[in-house]
Amino acid sequence: DIQMTQSPSSLSASVGDRVTITCRASESISTYLNWYQQKPGKAPKFLIYGASTLEGGVPSRFSGSGSGTDFALTISSLEPEDFATYYCQQSYTTPRTFGQGTRLEI
Amino acid sequence: QITLMESGPTLVKPTQTLTLTCSVSGFSLSTSRVGVGWIRQPPGKALEWLALIYWHDDKRYSPSLKSRLTVTKDTSKSQVVLTMTNMDPVDTATYFCAHTSGVVLGGFDFWGHGILVTVSS
Repeated sequence: DIQMTQSPSSLSASVGDRVTITCRASESISTYLNWYQQKPGKAPKFLIYGASTLEGGVPSRFSGSGSGTDFALTISSLEPEDFATYYCQQSYTTPRTFGQGTRLEI
Repeated sequence: QITLMESGPTLVKPTQTLTLTCSVSGFSLSTSRVGVGWIRQPPGKALEWLALIYWHDDKRYSPSLKSRLTVTKDTSKSQVVLTMTNMDPVDTATYFCAHTSGVVLGGFDFWGHGILVTVSS
């Protein structure tokens, strides 16, 4: 199985801050990397696929980068609604493993 | 628009078999490069990928749970069914089904609301 490791596990930030969450794959996954946002009691929301392509309707303050084994999700200027848990997931092969999540809190 | 909805029991006893149904609309389960996945999330924990069934009926499973999982689809009913045998309290989780396609390079772009399944005697 390909292991996905996110860092940090939790992150404290303020509205207006720029934050970056990283995700590392245990082997190369090209750019088959997806990012999700999840709020308590809700299903995950699809943010980014192909490492850097924003899903329709996702604000442009979100961006993704990386290829191979190292990836990043950046939020350029935090809005109140961005405080949530973020997951990366590889879709290069099955099992389609998720990272352990990064909790972004105030 | 694409929607998915999970249904099934919310309480099962240890050793019982869980059967969950994902009813979909807005797309066909036979459309090329389309799939439906199952993902679960124990309370307060991370997402765990369980299984995936593709438009051409290819099926993939989590290696750690493969012996206990079966996924099937009924295209005419627009339903995907997940069965998990020998349930244990550690299987208590919210179970989600989600749409995937080649368009989004295998990401899960639409999700059901999830169903919380508790395993307890």
